[in-house]
Amino acid sequence: DVKVTQSSRYLVKRTGEKVFLECVQDMDHENMFWYRQDPGLGLRLIYFSYDVKMKEKGDIPEGYSVSREKKERFSLILESASTNQTSMYLCASSGADLSYNEQFFGPGTRLTVL
Amino acid sequence: EDKVVQSPLSLVVHEGDTVTLNCSYEVTNFRSLLWYKQEKKAPTFLFMLTSSGIEKKSGRLSSILDKKELFSILNITATQTGDSAVYLCAAVLGGSQGNLIFGKGTKLSVKP
Repeated sequence: DVKVTQSSRYLVKRTGEKVFLECVQDMDHENMFWYRQDPGLGLRLIYFSYDVKMKEKGDIPEGYSVSREKKERFSLILESASTNQTSMYLCASSGADLSYNEQFFGPGTRLTVL
Repeated sequence: EDKVVQSPLSLVVHEGDTVTLNCSYEVTNFRSLLWYKQEKKAPTFLFMLTSSGIEKKSGRLSSILDKKELFSILNITATQTGDSAVYLCAAVLGGSQGNLIFGKGTKLSVKP
């Protein structure tokens, strides 16, 4: 059973704080993704990574950075949190096999920035 | 610009009704289409559709893809209150990353 875990389910931070969201997957997947989900906007891709130390910007990378030092772990970093980054953050992973593109999602982290 | 559009945005039905959710897409290098169900947590996978005209079924849910007209539908028959959720579709793009473009979702509410 594929498992994607995220470090926190709920997080409350203050404006200007540095925030780390961690994601770990146990299926040796090559690809990992960070999304945010906001009402009425659906899922939006922030960053993805297709290999260790490799990353690509998604649709809304501004205000975020990522780190992938190990294959199983993909971190999302908010260098200086702002109130408009209050959202649900979802991590996902998928294998490199092009014939099977299902993404497995973590439980999500609901971040509130005050 | 790649986009995925779902309709309706929200839907209220009564138990036992049959519903059809729509997903149209305009993307470059289309590979496949995914349907997810999201309740109060992360989305759970329903279907992956790659070939046109082949229906996939899972219990009361079924889905089909039309690659000529660039859309997919998700059918739910004999709806139950447990079907209440947001249903997301996503187009998978080709390339090594298998990037996804999500629609905004259809919120389905099933009343007893």
